[in-house]
Order: sequence, then structure tokens, then C-alpha cells
Amino acid sequence: AQKITQTQPGMFVQEKEAVTLDCTYDTSDQSYGLFWYKQPSSGEMIFLIYQGSYDEQNATEGRYSLNFQKARKSANLVISASQLGDSAMYFCAMREGTNMNTGFQKLVFGTGTRLLVSP
Amino acid sequence: ETGVTQTPRHLVMGMTNKKSLKCEQHLGHNAMYWYKQSAKKPLELMFVYSLEERVENNSVPSRFSPECPNSSHLFLHLHTLQPEDSALYLCASSHGTGRATEAFFGQGTRLTVV
Repeated sequence: AQKITQTQPGMFVQEKEAVTLDCTYDTSDQSYGLFWYKQPSSGEMIFLIYQGSYDEQNATEGRYSLNFQKARKSANLVISASQLGDSAMYFCAMREGTNMNTGFQKLVFGTGTRLLVSP
Repeated sequence: ETGVTQTPRHLVMGMTNKKSLKCEQHLGHNAMYWYKQSAKKPLELMFVYSLEERVENNSVPSRFSPECPNSSHLFLHLHTLQPEDSALYLCASSHGTGRATEAFFGQGTRLTVV
């Protein structure tokens, strides 16, 4: 069974500061993928960043970076220079490795972290 | 503007009603999904369609009935629902094989069963 754990129900950060959202995972697969999604109050899940289990370098996408520590099974999201528009729910998710080549994916999600950015 | 569109955005229905949720994607994807998001619970995968064939059904009660008439459209037919079925229902799509086939989500339908 796979499991995603996000231990921070809520986080506060001041505008322009960096913030780290924690995510740990549990899997027996050797090949898997890790995702972070942002969900604003509008409801849509917005893809932010992806890390493959065999990727040697940490993924980066603009102000988002993923601190991937495979041995510790953690995939923390780092948001640099926070903006007011970053206030939202953030979900860590994992894709089962067995579906890498089947054209569809099963994502297992964590319970999310609510980020509030203050002026 | 999202590439995955869901209608309606909000729905209130009685337990004896029959309604349908609609999802449409214009991204050329060949897999579509229904997820359920309840308060304080992780998203739950309900159904997966790949190339218009249902490939996943995660023990969802029969009062939820999916339909995928083509690769761009996905429906979720609802009948005789229970109050505990109230949730945000999210549709998603993804494309092809490869490493980073991230799923794109719609804005969801907020369903309230009364």
C-alpha cells in the first residue's frame, strides 16, 4: 500500500519569505513519481512540480523547488519569495510506478497543507 | 483558463433525484478520471477511463455511474445519493506514456445532497 503524509495542517508565512511544506511517502515500488498540486478556493487542482524517483537532481519550476531526499522518503516543496496569491491548499501526491507506461496514472494524495501568506 | 471544464459548478440534490456531472477536456488527453474530495480527507480516486475504456473502479457504490462516450467527455451519473456523498467532485485528464504525465484538473462540482 502507498501512503502520503503531510503533517502540517496549516502554515503561515510572510510575503517575500520562503516556506517549506513537508511531505513524506511510503512505497515499496522502485519506480514512482511525486507531484505537488495547489488548490485555491476556486477548487481547481493546479499542477506545480514533478519529481521522478530516478531523477538525480531536485526538480525546480520557477519559485517552486522540490527537496527530494529518497533515503528519507521525503519530497518537501519549497516556495521562495512567497506572494499573496500563494495562499491556498497544497497537496503532495504520488503516482504508482507500475503505471508509468500504461497511459494513465493512479495518484495517491495527502491530506494537504493550508498555506496563508500575510502582507 | 483551464483545459478541463466541469459543469455544473454547484449542485444541490435530494436523495431521490437523478443528476449528472459533466466533464470536458480539450487537451487531446486519452485518460480521464473522477476524484472525490471530502472535507478533511485525501482525494479519493473513483474511476479511470483510458482510451474510453474503464480501467479502474475503486469500490465505488453503484449509485455512482460513470460514462465516457469519447475521449473528450466524461460523465458521472448520480441517483439515490446519500448525505455522506456531499463533496467536491473533481475531473482530471492526462495524456500518454512517459515520465511526467501530470494530470490536469477541472474546477470541480460542489455537490450537496439534502
